[in-house]
Amino acid sequence: GIQVEQSPPDLILQEGANSTLRCNFSDSVNNLQWFHQNPWGQLINLFYIPSGTKQNGRLSATTVATERYSLLYISSSQTTDSGVYFCAVEHSGGSNYKLTFGKGTLLTVNP
Amino acid sequence: DAGVIQSPRHEVTEMGQEVTLRCKPISGHNSLFWYRQTMMRGLELLIYFNNNVPIDDSGMPEDRFSAKMPNASFSTLKIQPSEPRDSAVYFCASSRLIRGTEAFFGQGTRLTVV
Repeated sequence: GIQVEQSPPDLILQEGANSTLRCNFSDSVNNLQWFHQNPWGQLINLFYIPSGTKQNGRLSATTVATERYSLLYISSSQTTDSGVYFCAVEHSGGSNYKLTFGKGTLLTVNP
Repeated sequence: DAGVIQSPRHEVTEMGQEVTLRCKPISGHNSLFWYRQTMMRGLELLIYFNNNVPIDDSGMPEDRFSAKMPNASFSTLKIQPSEPRDSAVYFCASSRLIRGTEAFFGQGTRLTVV
């Protein structure tokens, strides 16, 4: 099956700092999503981005499908950004129509 | 839209008891997925449905687990009998199509089997 690797595994920031999270995947994809799992466990959709660049407020994401990676940018981080960020992909060549998740990046933003 | 709705939010049960988790997908979504999240294994797919038909249940860990989707607006995941190692957060997700479209997750059911 497709492999999804996220880096870094952990990240600690001071409020106001910027950060870049990376997601590498091992094969072509139909779908790539970024999620934020907040401290209450809820999985919140951030971006649906199988290719290209999108922005939503302080967050933006870029996926370069030909090079098999995606980046999530968080600018001017806030304490409410804390939580786990997951990248999930759907393998375009597979017969299993499922999202395969990376292990996530645990982000802690300190005041 | 109300999003994907799961119930209950929390469930504590004794080993050996039957547990039923419920999910209402987003209206108009044709595909429904059940995932389980544990510290050891992360988020893993258990089973998914397309147009109410189970497509792949290879992720279901044992025969103790079963899932149904009697109509487009309701699905259940049942564990009988439950065991302590089933303790996890169970998520339901839905998407408009089976592939290539955005998936949305419910708030999850935190199951504790004692």
